[in-house]
Amino acid sequence: DQQVKQNSPSLSVQEGRISILNCDYTNSMFDYFLWYKKYPAEGPTFLISISSIKDKNEDGRFTVFLNKSAKHLSLHIVPSQPGDSAVYFCAAPIDYDKVIFGPGTSLSVIP
Amino acid sequence: NAGVTQTPKFQVLKTGQSMTLQCAQDMNHNSMYWYRQDPGMGLRLIYYSASEGTTDKGEVPNGYNVSRLNKREFSLRLESAAPSQTSVYFCASKRTANREQFFGPGTRLTVL
Repeated sequence: DQQVKQNSPSLSVQEGRISILNCDYTNSMFDYFLWYKKYPAEGPTFLISISSIKDKNEDGRFTVFLNKSAKHLSLHIVPSQPGDSAVYFCAAPIDYDKVIFGPGTSLSVIP
Repeated sequence: NAGVTQTPKFQVLKTGQSMTLQCAQDMNHNSMYWYRQDPGMGLRLIYYSASEGTTDKGEVPNGYNVSRLNKREFSLRLESAAPSQTSVYFCASKRTANREQFFGPGTRLTVL
Protein backbone atom coordinates (compact mmCIF):
# COMPACT_ATOMS: atom_id res chain seq x y z
CA ASP A 1 0.00 0.00 0.00
CA GLN A 2 1.66 3.20 -1.14
CA GLN A 3 -0.89 5.89 -0.48
CA VAL A 4 -0.43 9.52 0.34
CA LYS A 5 -3.51 11.15 1.81
CA GLN A 6 -4.56 14.74 2.24
CA ASN A 7 -7.86 14.53 4.03
CA SER A 8 -8.79 18.21 3.83
CA PRO A 9 -9.79 19.14 0.27
CA SER A 10 -9.87 22.80 1.19
CA LEU A 11 -8.74 25.24 3.86
CA SER A 12 -9.55 28.90 4.42
CA VAL A 13 -7.31 31.16 6.54
CA GLN A 14 -7.18 34.87 7.33
CA GLU A 15 -4.21 36.81 6.02
CA GLY A 16 -1.43 37.00 8.62
CA ARG A 17 -2.54 33.84 10.44
CA ILE A 18 -0.95 30.40 10.28
CA SER A 19 -1.96 27.89 7.61
CA ILE A 20 -1.47 24.21 8.48
CA LEU A 21 -1.81 21.67 5.70
CA ASN A 22 -1.74 18.01 6.66
CA CYS A 23 -0.60 14.87 4.90
CA ASP A 24 -0.67 11.22 5.99
CA TYR A 25 1.04 8.26 4.42
CA THR A 26 0.69 4.52 4.78
CA ASN A 27 4.09 3.14 3.79
CA SER A 28 6.65 3.37 6.58
CA MET A 29 9.41 2.81 4.00
CA PHE A 30 8.94 6.28 2.52
CA ASP A 31 12.11 8.21 3.34
CA TYR A 32 11.57 11.54 1.63
CA PHE A 33 8.65 13.89 1.16
CA LEU A 34 8.00 16.91 -1.02
CA TRP A 35 5.41 19.65 -1.12
CA TYR A 36 4.36 21.22 -4.41
CA LYS A 37 2.27 24.34 -4.92
CA LYS A 38 -0.03 24.80 -7.89
CA TYR A 39 -1.75 27.94 -9.13
CA PRO A 40 -4.71 27.67 -11.54
CA ALA A 41 -3.73 27.11 -15.18
CA GLU A 42 -0.10 26.49 -14.20
CA GLY A 43 1.96 23.41 -13.50
CA PRO A 44 2.95 22.44 -9.95
CA THR A 45 6.14 23.95 -8.60
CA PHE A 46 8.36 22.49 -5.92
CA LEU A 47 8.02 24.24 -2.56
CA ILE A 48 9.89 22.39 0.18
CA SER A 49 11.03 18.89 1.07
CA ILE A 50 12.07 16.84 4.08
CA SER A 51 14.13 13.72 4.55
CA SER A 52 13.04 11.09 7.05
CA ILE A 53 16.25 11.64 9.02
CA LYS A 54 14.87 15.04 10.03
CA ASP A 55 11.71 16.05 11.81
CA LYS A 56 11.64 19.65 10.62
CA ASN A 57 12.74 21.68 7.62
CA GLU A 58 12.28 25.41 7.32
CA ASP A 59 12.47 27.77 4.35
CA GLY A 60 11.37 31.30 5.07
CA ARG A 61 7.66 31.35 5.90
CA PHE A 62 7.32 27.63 5.10
CA THR A 63 8.10 24.84 7.56
CA VAL A 64 7.47 21.14 7.12
CA PHE A 65 7.21 18.87 10.15
CA LEU A 66 7.53 15.10 9.97
CA ASN A 67 6.20 12.68 12.59
CA LYS A 68 7.42 9.25 11.47
CA SER A 69 5.72 7.31 14.24
CA ALA A 70 2.36 8.77 13.22
CA LYS A 71 3.19 8.65 9.48
CA HIS A 72 2.15 12.27 9.32
CA LEU A 73 3.62 15.45 7.95
CA SER A 74 2.38 18.99 7.95
CA LEU A 75 3.22 22.18 6.11
CA HIS A 76 3.03 25.40 8.12
CA ILE A 77 2.85 28.77 6.43
CA VAL A 78 3.44 31.73 8.74
CA PRO A 79 2.26 34.38 8.16
CA SER A 80 -0.15 33.45 5.41
CA GLN A 81 -0.45 35.85 2.49
CA PRO A 82 -3.09 36.12 -0.26
CA GLY A 83 -0.46 35.02 -2.80
CA ASP A 84 -0.26 31.69 -0.96
CA SER A 85 -3.75 30.82 -2.21
CA ALA A 86 -3.15 27.71 -4.32
CA VAL A 87 -3.48 23.95 -4.29
CA TYR A 88 -0.79 22.18 -2.26
CA PHE A 89 0.23 18.62 -3.04
CA CYS A 90 2.11 16.34 -0.69
CA ALA A 91 4.28 13.76 -2.49
CA ALA A 92 6.57 10.84 -1.69
CA PRO A 93 9.04 9.02 -3.96
CA ILE A 94 8.19 5.33 -4.16
CA ASP A 95 11.43 4.45 -5.93
CA TYR A 96 14.30 6.17 -7.66
CA ASP A 97 12.15 7.39 -10.53
CA LYS A 98 8.51 7.52 -9.47
CA VAL A 99 6.64 9.74 -7.05
CA ILE A 100 3.15 9.33 -5.62
CA PHE A 101 1.07 12.45 -5.03
CA GLY A 102 -1.71 13.17 -2.60
CA PRO A 103 -5.02 14.57 -3.88
CA GLY A 104 -4.16 18.11 -2.85
CA THR A 105 -5.53 20.75 -0.48
CA SER A 106 -6.85 24.01 -1.85
CA LEU A 107 -5.77 26.90 0.39
CA SER A 108 -7.58 30.23 0.31
CA VAL A 109 -5.99 33.11 2.21
CA ILE A 110 -8.56 35.80 2.84
CA PRO A 111 -7.31 39.42 2.91
CA ASN B 1 15.67 28.88 -20.13
CA ALA B 2 12.07 27.99 -20.96
CA GLY B 3 12.08 25.00 -18.56
CA VAL B 4 9.38 22.49 -19.54
CA THR B 5 7.11 23.45 -22.42
CA GLN B 6 3.94 21.70 -23.56
CA THR B 7 1.82 22.01 -26.67
CA PRO B 8 -1.04 22.47 -27.17
CA LYS B 9 -2.45 24.32 -24.15
CA PHE B 10 -6.02 23.31 -24.94
CA GLN B 11 -7.56 20.64 -27.16
CA VAL B 12 -11.06 19.35 -27.82
CA LEU B 13 -11.40 15.93 -29.45
CA LYS B 14 -14.28 13.75 -30.48
CA THR B 15 -14.44 10.17 -29.25
CA GLY B 16 -12.20 7.99 -31.40
CA GLN B 17 -9.94 10.76 -32.65
CA SER B 18 -6.20 10.60 -32.07
CA MET B 19 -3.71 13.23 -31.03
CA THR B 20 -0.20 13.69 -29.69
CA LEU B 21 0.75 15.93 -26.80
CA GLN B 22 4.22 17.36 -27.10
CA CYS B 23 6.67 18.08 -24.28
CA ALA B 24 10.19 19.47 -24.35
CA GLN B 25 12.66 20.49 -21.65
CA ASP B 26 15.84 22.50 -21.95
CA MET B 27 17.38 21.65 -18.56
CA ASN B 28 19.35 18.63 -19.78
CA HIS B 29 17.33 16.34 -17.51
CA ASN B 30 17.48 12.60 -18.02
CA SER B 31 14.08 11.69 -16.59
CA MET B 32 10.75 12.78 -18.05
CA TYR B 33 7.17 12.07 -17.01
CA TRP B 34 3.55 12.33 -18.12
CA TYR B 35 0.83 12.81 -15.51
CA ARG B 36 -2.87 13.41 -15.59
CA GLN B 37 -4.72 15.46 -13.00
CA ASP B 38 -8.37 14.83 -12.26
CA PRO B 39 -10.50 16.47 -9.54
CA GLY B 40 -9.88 14.88 -6.15
CA MET B 41 -7.30 12.45 -7.58
CA GLY B 42 -4.05 14.35 -7.42
CA LEU B 43 -1.47 13.70 -10.11
CA ARG B 44 -1.37 10.18 -11.50
CA LEU B 45 1.60 8.91 -13.48
CA ILE B 46 0.82 7.69 -16.99
CA TYR B 47 4.29 6.89 -18.36
CA TYR B 48 7.82 7.91 -17.61
CA SER B 49 11.23 7.76 -19.22
CA ALA B 50 14.23 7.42 -16.92
CA SER B 51 16.66 8.08 -19.76
CA GLU B 52 16.76 8.57 -23.49
CA GLY B 53 15.71 5.34 -25.17
CA THR B 54 13.71 3.92 -22.26
CA THR B 55 10.05 4.21 -21.31
CA ASP B 56 8.01 2.55 -18.58
CA LYS B 57 4.38 2.37 -17.56
CA GLY B 58 3.09 4.28 -14.60
CA GLU B 59 -0.14 3.93 -12.65
CA VAL B 60 -2.63 4.63 -15.47
CA PRO B 61 -1.06 3.74 -18.86
CA ASN B 62 -4.07 2.21 -20.62
CA GLY B 63 -5.12 4.09 -23.75
CA TYR B 64 -1.80 5.95 -24.07
CA ASN B 65 1.52 5.51 -25.81
CA VAL B 66 4.72 7.52 -25.43
CA SER B 67 7.85 8.25 -27.40
CA ARG B 68 11.12 9.59 -26.00
CA LEU B 69 12.21 11.24 -29.22
CA ASN B 70 15.55 12.45 -27.83
CA LYS B 71 16.84 13.71 -24.50
CA ARG B 72 14.76 16.90 -24.76
CA GLU B 73 11.42 15.62 -26.03
CA PHE B 74 8.83 13.20 -24.66
CA SER B 75 5.47 12.88 -26.42
CA LEU B 76 2.20 11.32 -25.30
CA ARG B 77 -0.18 9.84 -27.87
CA LEU B 78 -3.86 9.01 -27.55
CA GLU B 79 -4.67 6.60 -30.38
CA SER B 80 -8.44 6.55 -29.91
CA ALA B 81 -9.61 9.17 -27.45
CA ALA B 82 -12.35 8.35 -24.94
CA PRO B 83 -14.38 10.69 -22.68
CA SER B 84 -12.59 9.13 -19.68
CA GLN B 85 -9.39 10.73 -20.97
CA THR B 86 -10.78 14.21 -20.41
CA SER B 87 -8.23 15.65 -18.02
CA VAL B 88 -5.36 18.06 -17.55
CA TYR B 89 -2.07 16.55 -18.65
CA PHE B 90 1.27 17.60 -17.20
CA CYS B 91 4.73 16.80 -18.41
CA ALA B 92 7.62 16.91 -15.94
CA SER B 93 11.35 16.32 -15.88
CA LYS B 94 14.11 15.92 -13.31
CA ARG B 95 17.81 15.28 -12.90
CA THR B 96 18.66 11.66 -12.26
CA ALA B 97 20.18 12.35 -8.83
CA ASN B 98 17.45 14.68 -7.60
CA ARG B 99 13.96 14.10 -6.22
CA GLU B 100 12.40 17.38 -7.34
CA GLN B 101 10.46 17.39 -10.59
CA PHE B 102 9.88 20.43 -12.81
CA PHE B 103 6.49 20.67 -14.45
CA GLY B 104 5.18 22.18 -17.64
CA PRO B 105 2.09 24.41 -17.73
CA GLY B 106 -0.26 21.59 -18.71
CA THR B 107 -2.59 20.67 -21.56
CA ARG B 108 -6.33 20.76 -20.91
CA LEU B 109 -7.94 18.03 -23.00
CA THR B 110 -11.67 17.52 -23.45
CA VAL B 111 -13.00 14.44 -25.23
CA LEU B 112 -16.62 14.71 -26.32
